[in-house]
Amino acid sequence: DAKTTQPPSMDCAEGRAANLPCNHSTISGNEYVYWYRQIHSQGPQYIIHGLKNNETNEMASLIITEDRKSSTLILPHATLRDTAVYYCIVRVAHAPGGGNKLTFGTGTQLKVEL
Amino acid sequence: DAGVTQSPTHLIKTRGQHVTLRCSPISGHKSVSWYQQVLGQGPQFIFQYYEKEERGRGNFPDRFSARQFPNYSSELNVNALLLGDSALYLCASSFVGTLQETQYFGPGTRLLVL
Repeated sequence: DAKTTQPPSMDCAEGRAANLPCNHSTISGNEYVYWYRQIHSQGPQYIIHGLKNNETNEMASLIITEDRKSSTLILPHATLRDTAVYYCIVRVAHAPGGGNKLTFGTGTQLKVEL
Repeated sequence: DAGVTQSPTHLIKTRGQHVTLRCSPISGHKSVSWYQQVLGQGPQFIFQYYEKEERGRGNFPDRFSARQFPNYSSELNVNALLLGDSALYLCASSFVGTLQETQYFGPGTRLLVL
């Protein structure tokens, strides 16, 4: 699976948009981009994923560049409860049930402040 | 709907003992994966099981084993515990049927080895 690079930490003011970048310059055509977050001492929470089109759900938006070498997770109106470590993961789409492991890096610690 | 559940939530063991951790997947999910997260690092993949068969294994010693039951719940066993096995053990379940196969995590079991 492709390696990802994320900034170790970011700050964001409450109510503002949080834009978390991820570089995955070696991504291949059959690799999805996944985002998870982990609030202190809890299990990782799935946020969103995409292949090449931009995606939006009730939690966030995912913007993937046209060359797919980088992506940005956008939390449109960050709150204090969004303070967490955010992980960007690229994963090969194996056959169903065929060893679809997630390879986590160290992620970005997002701190949302008043 | 109930999410992934894990038991116990916390556990203290001594070196050399063995431990069994349990996981119940989301209803309808037939695949279960196990991850280990030591303090300050991202989760590391241990195993994936689908239809009671091992479908993937991470770089962990043979002291680590797992199995999946007919109801798709799973157990992770660790023998001859070492101090370095102290970690948060995470279980994730996924619905197998598409290439995307998003994994959803439980709250984890925190193991302390003394």
